Amino acid sequence: DQQVKQNSPSLSVQEGRISILNCDYTNSMFDYFLWYKKYPAEGPTFLISISSIKDKNEDGRFTVFLNKSAKHLSLHIVPSQPGDSAVYFCAASARYGGATNKLIFGTGTLLAVQP
Amino acid sequence: DVKVTQSSRYLVKRTGEKVFLECVQDMDHENMFWYRQDPGLGLRLIYFSYDVKMKEKGDIPEGYSVSREKKERFSLILESASTNQTSMYLCASSFGGVTGAFFGQGTRLTVV
Repeated sequence: DQQVKQNSPSLSVQEGRISILNCDYTNSMFDYFLWYKKYPAEGPTFLISISSIKDKNEDGRFTVFLNKSAKHLSLHIVPSQPGDSAVYFCAASARYGGATNKLIFGTGTLLAVQP
Repeated sequence: DVKVTQSSRYLVKRTGEKVFLECVQDMDHENMFWYRQDPGLGLRLIYFSYDVKMKEKGDIPEGYSVSREKKERFSLILESASTNQTSMYLCASSFGGVTGAFFGQGTRLTVV
């Protein structure tokens, strides 16, 4: 049962335009959400996160939006650059025991930014 | 900078071999994780550990075991490697509490 879903396996956008990557989740107990970026043959790197008490978090060209009622979050990249081409993973944090969190990942979306 | 180091980038092993994947982190993180990445399936959690000698099963623990004898080191063990364990293996670590995880560079394991 996939608790975190990224329904678009791939996305292609033109350089300078907006990229919107979407993510849906099913577990209402998730309280922290993250986006990771992954290049081939490398480990994922943290991009941006958002707590469930917020509905928006912005960091430079990257903005994450959270709609808790819809159990949906999205990552906006504006403007998109060719170096943004990578696989983007959405992740949700679920508490285990006391303070420990484990991250549940989606299946990823391959973003291709065309020059 | 946080550094998570996996002992090998590429490994080729034979079916039935016992395989050890090692991971070391240098930031005194409480939590450590092992994931595998497969096309179309994303990152799936195999095992995680929230303290020395403590371990918990993730979503796909079958065929794997782990060891955490020291805080900085988390090992993934394939007791008897099989071809369906051919994958990219990713180790990660994090502080306790609400925080993200830092990943190693990954180990591409091929079982023939």
